[in-house]
Amino acid sequence: EAEVAQSPRYKITEKSQAVAFWCDPISGHATLYWYRQILGQGPELLVQFQDESVVDDSQLPKDRFSAERLKGVDSTLKIQPAELGDSAMYLCASSLARQGYGQTQYFGPGTRLLVL
Amino acid sequence: TQLLEQSPQFLSIQEGENLTVYCNSSSVFSSLQWYRQEPGEGPVLLVTVVTGGEVKKLKRLTFQFGDARKDSSLHITAAQPGDTGLYLCAGAPNDYKLSFGAGTTVTVRA
Repeated sequence: EAEVAQSPRYKITEKSQAVAFWCDPISGHATLYWYRQILGQGPELLVQFQDESVVDDSQLPKDRFSAERLKGVDSTLKIQPAELGDSAMYLCASSLARQGYGQTQYFGPGTRLLVL
Repeated sequence: TQLLEQSPQFLSIQEGENLTVYCNSSSVFSSLQWYRQEPGEGPVLLVTVVTGGEVKKLKRLTFQFGDARKDSSLHITAAQPGDTGLYLCAGAPNDYKLSFGAGTTVTVRA
């Protein structure tokens, strides 16, 4: 069964350092999402791509976060510099359709980030 | 303020007992989704409910969508330790971005 792949699974870094997370969506899925999930809360959307274009990054802290999906396939989320409050689970998800937010999303295993 | 309110926040029960978790909103949804998330893993979709009043069953799990499509419930019969996890509801009102509730953490003790 096709799955969303993410790496690394765990990352420990010191504040002010740069970190990057990678996501490979299910093959053929046009839409890719990055979420942040703080312990005890539900996931919150950071950025949504449709193919290689950003369609929603309204909740992305653009002063320190960046995301790209250059060829419309895999994606990278970067934080520079990392802050203590960035400690969270970063989830990637993908969906088949290009339109509509209500599409079924398939999640990867996530990257758990700890900033010291 | 959460668009989707889930209750209770935590639930700890003995194996074999039944449980119900709730997902409520003041907004109308074209559909609601339920996910289960195990520690250290991503959420896994359990079911999508689409029609007001709809009831879906998945083995020992029963999902209901309210008539007004503003709320949903998940009922687990004869819970097992494997049912332990964070149960999340999610919906996209007016086809806007998918919003998640804060989840209900369910612990089933053997």
